[in-house]
Amino acid sequence: QVQLKETGPDLVQLTQTLSITCTVSGFSLTTYNVHWVRQPPGKGLEWMGAMWNGGGTDYNSAFKSRLSISRDTSKSQVFLKMNSLQTDDTAKYFCARGTMMDMDAWGQGASVTVSS
Amino acid sequence: DIQMTQSPASLSASLEEIVTITCQASQDIGNWLAWYQQKPGKSPQLLIYGATSLADGVPSRFSGSRSGTQYSLKISRLQVEDIGIYYCLQAYSAPLTFGSGTKLEIK
Repeated sequence: QVQLKETGPDLVQLTQTLSITCTVSGFSLTTYNVHWVRQPPGKGLEWMGAMWNGGGTDYNSAFKSRLSISRDTSKSQVFLKMNSLQTDDTAKYFCARGTMMDMDAWGQGASVTVSS
Repeated sequence: DIQMTQSPASLSASLEEIVTITCQASQDIGNWLAWYQQKPGKSPQLLIYGATSLADGVPSRFSGSRSGTQYSLKISRLQVEDIGIYYCLQAYSAPLTFGSGTKLEIK
């Protein structure tokens, strides 16, 4: 059974760093891609970046150099780190399994509030 | 970046009615288009992949089509459980981009 679960803080202080872990089961990180997508309250979906199954990464340039995605294949985990958080980074952060053409399974999301 | 222009932004339709949502890609993306349904407080669920293929477990009243760079999601007979927000996604090239969403309600 394919599962993804995001774990991270509920609250992050302004200008601090957000770290979220996506732990997957039922598939291998060396076979499937993992994407990060966020959704601010009441708004649409925004692709942040991806860890490709070969180990490479791609990022949405909207996050400039703030965003970093890495993985530990031995633990079936993918990590998101984003620094210099602002209040408009308040959102639900999802990890999703990626095939060639889509994201076919999603975690339940981690809700993060950036507080001043 | 590839832009996905989705319409309408909201839609109110009667039960059993046919509903169509469209996404226009700013350039050729082939069949690298997926559709998702998101219910309040839930994660998006894959409905259609490869522009026209039905995802596992999705009712056959959902279908996808393509005409050039315009993509459509059709619900043939609207049911109560179909309410939610629908998004398209282009997976042709990074950065992947979503449409802005269509909120579907029952009239």
